[in-house]
Amino acid sequence: DTGVSQNPRHKITKRGQNVTFRCDPISEHNRLYWYRQTLGQGPEFLTYFQNEAQLEKSRLLSDRFSAERPKGSFSTLEIQRTEQGDSAMYLCASSLVRYGYTFGSGTRLTVV
Amino acid sequence: AQTVTQSQPEMSVQEAETVTLSCTYDTSESDYYLFWYKQPPSRQMILVIRQEAYKQQNATENRFSVNFQKAAKSFSLKISDSQLGDAAMYFCAYSNANAGKSTFGDGTTLTVKP
Repeated sequence: DTGVSQNPRHKITKRGQNVTFRCDPISEHNRLYWYRQTLGQGPEFLTYFQNEAQLEKSRLLSDRFSAERPKGSFSTLEIQRTEQGDSAMYLCASSLVRYGYTFGSGTRLTVV
Repeated sequence: AQTVTQSQPEMSVQEAETVTLSCTYDTSESDYYLFWYKQPPSRQMILVIRQEAYKQQNATENRFSVNFQKAAKSFSLKISDSQLGDAAMYFCAYSNANAGKSTFGDGTTLTVKP
């Protein structure tokens, strides 16, 4: 197993465009998480899945954000009508219940 | 809501010496998990150590150990025999008993001086 894989590593987009990120977790892990991290701060929770079910979504997350995990395998995070404030590192992590996370390398989004 | 506070934005240590990073948290739960993660510059975050709240014994992983004080809601990380490769940002994190989302502190940047 090669760990948690995130694509793309970097994304530059114009304000108002839609973007989609992909995360491939460790195959044995049943939980998958999305976090957002801005410079100098800790990761901020966005949402998480157990298998294909989305169990929790941050109340801070606007309707422009949506995540899916079809068939409980890879996950996608879509941001519609991007804004400059969406610029951040988007982190994906996977885990078995009650164990710590294995993080991917992240996708750095820049909205210009 | 749970909160995690890391009161030391930056710390430095001489190579081969010992350093302790502080973390406090706030929760009304009795069963939960605490973690320390390491994020080297431009590299991915990795799990350093994990502590289950119902265990009184402090977790240890090689040169890394924790001082878990449940009543004080304190969870510090001790790094012994510091190495240059320990230089990174360290994050303290809390998860409730069903280990859903984690709440992270804002991190402590550790510099190791040769």
